[in-house]
Amino acid sequence: KNEVEQSPQNLTAQEGEFITINCSYSVGISALHWLQQHPGGGIVSLFMLSSGKKKHGRLIATINIQEKHSSLHITASHPRDSAVYICAPAGYSGQNFVFGPGTRLSVLP
Amino acid sequence: DTGVSQDPRHKITKRGQNVTFRCDPISEHNRLYWYRQTLGQGPEFLTYFQNEAQLEKSRLLSDRFSAERPKGSFSTLEIQRTEQGDSAMYLCASSSSGRPSFEQFFGPGTRLTVL
Repeated sequence: KNEVEQSPQNLTAQEGEFITINCSYSVGISALHWLQQHPGGGIVSLFMLSSGKKKHGRLIATINIQEKHSSLHITASHPRDSAVYICAPAGYSGQNFVFGPGTRLSVLP
Repeated sequence: DTGVSQDPRHKITKRGQNVTFRCDPISEHNRLYWYRQTLGQGPEFLTYFQNEAQLEKSRLLSDRFSAERPKGSFSTLEIQRTEQGDSAMYLCASSSSGRPSFEQFFGPGTRLTVL
């Protein structure tokens, strides 16, 4: 079993739809990153969270440490949201992130 | 600019040659990380530094790979005797060990192609 799993692997949505990407992990963690990677490789940190819920604009991330599960939601999706979304739990010392395989999102106009 | 920078952005080399990449972290960050990413995969951890000390190395980092951060600021990643399997995007990230801790900021990456 992989340490970090994401679902779905690929997702195509129509503009305006509500998107949910899930991340499950088997390792004990102190915090979890959600990252966005656009074609061409650049990675942007979206969220770093260790409990509860965080919101930035149309993005919402939640985490349940006990259930070892996190979700990333995108409200009112837009074609510019098209990217690969990666979750990366961090161990208790925080330095070694294990990256999920990513979810490739395509939002069609 | 206060972001993480990497140089070069692209490198094409012939098998057997040595290559060196540089990463300049965000200036106040004491932690620096190197990752490798192959097409269609998530990044894989290679190594990380806190200040000038290399604290952890992945088993992915064979003896052909070496990383340094001599003054606790910029870092270099050298690959000796490159192989075609080394072709990948090499990503650098930095973070602060202070609270709120560990959020990593990524550079644009160096794309290596070994012919």
